[in-house]
This record gives sequence, structure tokens and C-alpha cells, in this order.
Amino acid sequence: AQKITQTQPGMFVQEKEAVTLDCTYDTSDPSYGLFWYKQPSSGEMIFLIYQGSYDQQNATEGRYSLNFQKARKSANLVISASQLGDSAMYFCAMREASYSSASKIIFGSGTRLSIRP
Amino acid sequence: DAGVIQSPRHEVTEMGQEVTLRCKPISGHDYLFWYRQTMMRGLELLIYFNNNVPIDDSGMPEDRFSAKMPNASFSTLKIQPSEPRDSAVYFCASRGGGFTEAFFGQGTRLTVV
Repeated sequence: AQKITQTQPGMFVQEKEAVTLDCTYDTSDPSYGLFWYKQPSSGEMIFLIYQGSYDQQNATEGRYSLNFQKARKSANLVISASQLGDSAMYFCAMREASYSSASKIIFGSGTRLSIRP
Repeated sequence: DAGVIQSPRHEVTEMGQEVTLRCKPISGHDYLFWYRQTMMRGLELLIYFNNNVPIDDSGMPEDRFSAKMPNASFSTLKIQPSEPRDSAVYFCASRGGGFTEAFFGQGTRLTVV
């Protein structure tokens, strides 16, 4: 069964520093997708970045990059030059392809990131 | 597109009452998910639909919960009877085919007193 693990319940980072949020996953499916979402205090879920299991390059979206290490089954989110607005909960998620056309997206427990001015 | 639309945004009800949460997915999306978020259990997938058909309802906590998707533009999650432990934020999300991301609604904050 698929599983997502985020071992950092909370992190404090100084503004303008880079931060890495950890995510490990477990799946027996060779084809899968990995996602990161941000949930600010207002509550909405905001999609940040996606990495496919067959993608050769690490995904990047602006200040966000995904450090994908397939053999270690890790998909860490890196935020460069952190800003006060980055303070939020961050969730790692996974979707398996399986052999059917339908598959579910499951989420890790999240990491609460707080940026200090 | 207005995104995924959920209603109501907030619901306060008394224990034992029926509660119906509503969701309008993004047009053209053929997958719809219902999640529940609590401090203790995080984000739990309750049920998801593909082309209006329920695919996996293994996350539905008990028979008091039911979900329907009568057409491609509407889904409901019903709790009957509601209990205080059902208090949570309920999210609806939808996505298209392939490995596209899911788009979330704003959520419904349910409080059962």
C-alpha cells in the first residue's frame, strides 16, 4: 500500500535562508506522481510542484524545487530564499498510476514551517 | 473557471442532525475527491469518484457517512446523524486525467455541538 511520511512536524527558519522539507514515500508501483501543497493559515490548499517517477530532471517552479531521489524514495521540497509569506503547513502527496485509470492521492501528515524575520 | 466550489463554508449543527456538504468540481475534471482534515488525523481521503462512479470509499469512517455524485458537476457528502467527533474541515478536490494535480475547494468547516 502507498504511504507518505513527513518526519518534521515543525520547522523554524530565518527569512532569506533556504529550507528543505523532508518527504519519504513507499509504493510498489513503478509509475507514480509526487506533489507538494501549501496550506496557509487561511486554510486553502495550494498546489506547488509535481514530480513524475519517470522524470529525469528534478522539478522546479520558481523558488520551489523538488529534490527527487528515487532509490531512496524521497521527494524533499526545497524553498530558496524563504519569505515571511512562506509560513504555512506543507503537505507531500502521492498518486500511484496502477493499471487502472483511477487512483487516489494520499497525503503526509504535514510540516509546519515558520519563517522568522 | 471559478475553481472547485464548496458550500457551505461553515456549518454549525447539533448532534443528531443531518448535514449535507456540497461540491461543484472544475468543469471537465473527471475525478472528484472528498477529504477530511483534523488536527489528530491530518488529511484523510474519504471517498473518490471517477466519471461520477465511486471508486474507493474505504476511507468513509462509518455508515453515517454517504456520498453521491449524480452528475459531472455536483457531489454531496452527507452525515446522518452527525456527532461531535465529525467536527472537521471537509475538502472537495477535483482533477483531470493523467498525472495532473488535484485542485481543492475552500473547504467546509463543520462544527457539531
